[in-house]
Amino acid sequence: LAKTTQPISMDSYEGQEVNITCSHNNIATNDYITWYQQFPSQGPRFIIQGYKTKVTNEVASLFIPADRKSSTLSLPRVSLSDTAVYYCLIYGGATNKLIFGTGTLLAVQP
Amino acid sequence: GAGVSQSPSNKVTEKGKDVELRCDPISGHTALYWYRQSLGQGLEFLIYFQGNSAPDKSGLPSDRFSAERTGGSVSTLTIQRTQQEDSAVYLCASSFAALQETQYFGPGTRLLVL
Repeated sequence: LAKTTQPISMDSYEGQEVNITCSHNNIATNDYITWYQQFPSQGPRFIIQGYKTKVTNEVASLFIPADRKSSTLSLPRVSLSDTAVYYCLIYGGATNKLIFGTGTLLAVQP
Repeated sequence: GAGVSQSPSNKVTEKGKDVELRCDPISGHTALYWYRQSLGQGLEFLIYFQGNSAPDKSGLPSDRFSAERTGGSVSTLTIQRTQQEDSAVYLCASSFAALQETQYFGPGTRLLVL
């Protein structure tokens, strides 16, 4: 069964770039990697999804190395409103289960 | 409404009672998911439906938990003989198709078992 781990928390300041890494050593060949953002008392919200190399959208970039055993969510120039918990999500291959990472609490300070 | 809705938003019940949690997915979404999030914890996958079928129910925590989906739309998560450890936020999500697609989450149902 795939297992995903993330740092418990990270601190940053407004305007900085933040990189959050997720380890997923047992990712299956066909699995995509998805990242979600969750604010208190709300459901998670989609940020970005990728399969390999690099994906960029209007809010973030996702870097995936060739072995795909980890992925890094990059948030450029964070603001106070980016303070949230960030989760990676992997489809658990043949198990028909979805596996969220342990979550990273990002605290952005002024 | 354009988003996923869940009801009730909050539920307080006594230990041993049964509860039903409802999820209305986004119209046209064929896949529906249930998750549990205990206080201060991450997201625990429970079950997903493709249409009205759930390919794998082994993620449900115990045989007191069951879920069904009818008409390819509304889903109900039922917890029988609730226990205090069932207290959590139960989140529902839907997507156009299963598993790899972007999921849209509802606001959750906060269940407190006294």
